[in-house]
Amino acid sequence: EAQVTQNPRYLITVTGKKLTVTCSQNMNHEYMSWYRQDPGLGLRQIYYSMNVEVTDKGDVPEGYKVSRKEKRNFPLILESPSPNQTSLYFCASGKGWGTDTQYFGPGTRLTVL
Amino acid sequence: GQQLNQSPQSMFIQEGEDVSMNCTSSSIFNTWLWYKQDPGEGPVLLIALYKAGELTSNGRLTAQFGITRKDSFLNISASIPSDVGIYFCAGRSLTSGTYKYIFGTGTRLKVLA
Repeated sequence: EAQVTQNPRYLITVTGKKLTVTCSQNMNHEYMSWYRQDPGLGLRQIYYSMNVEVTDKGDVPEGYKVSRKEKRNFPLILESPSPNQTSLYFCASGKGWGTDTQYFGPGTRLTVL
Repeated sequence: GQQLNQSPQSMFIQEGEDVSMNCTSSSIFNTWLWYKQDPGEGPVLLIALYKAGELTSNGRLTAQFGITRKDSFLNISASIPSDVGIYFCAGRSLTSGTYKYIFGTGTRLKVLA
């Protein structure tokens, strides 16, 4: 089944403790992206990647890192999480060039205490 | 970061009624997208618009790319209970980044049977 998977689905952590949220897609998509969703603010793009080793900042990249070493994986790294990064995070993938269709993962709910 | 103004924020309607929502931006977009998010899931693309003035339908949904390229509209005809969810508009501007997306704050739709 074609899908985008994220792990973990739920995470409660403390301020400053480094964490990684994994994202994997099995559709051979070139494009991958991370978003955060907050009440009243909709979805905001954090980082995106057009292909392996090619990443670029979205609208709210501060406090996050990403890497794209393999086509299928696009992990989101929070080196020193803070409470204002408590949010619902979505990973998405798409074919990229010439199409805007993105397939979203199920989301990761992160709470930073 | 930049966001799109989406209205209304929420709507309660009777089953069978038509629904209209819109999205406006202070800057020009080359692509307008409409997504639906069901409770507990990631957004799903409904309609993509690529040309000013374009009118595109997907079943009971019709979306339009505004002539000024700064707005877009989504109409749902004869609403049914499964139309419940959050509807997001999104725009992509070639001047702000190749595949950088800006999302609206969402319209929460509730349908009363």
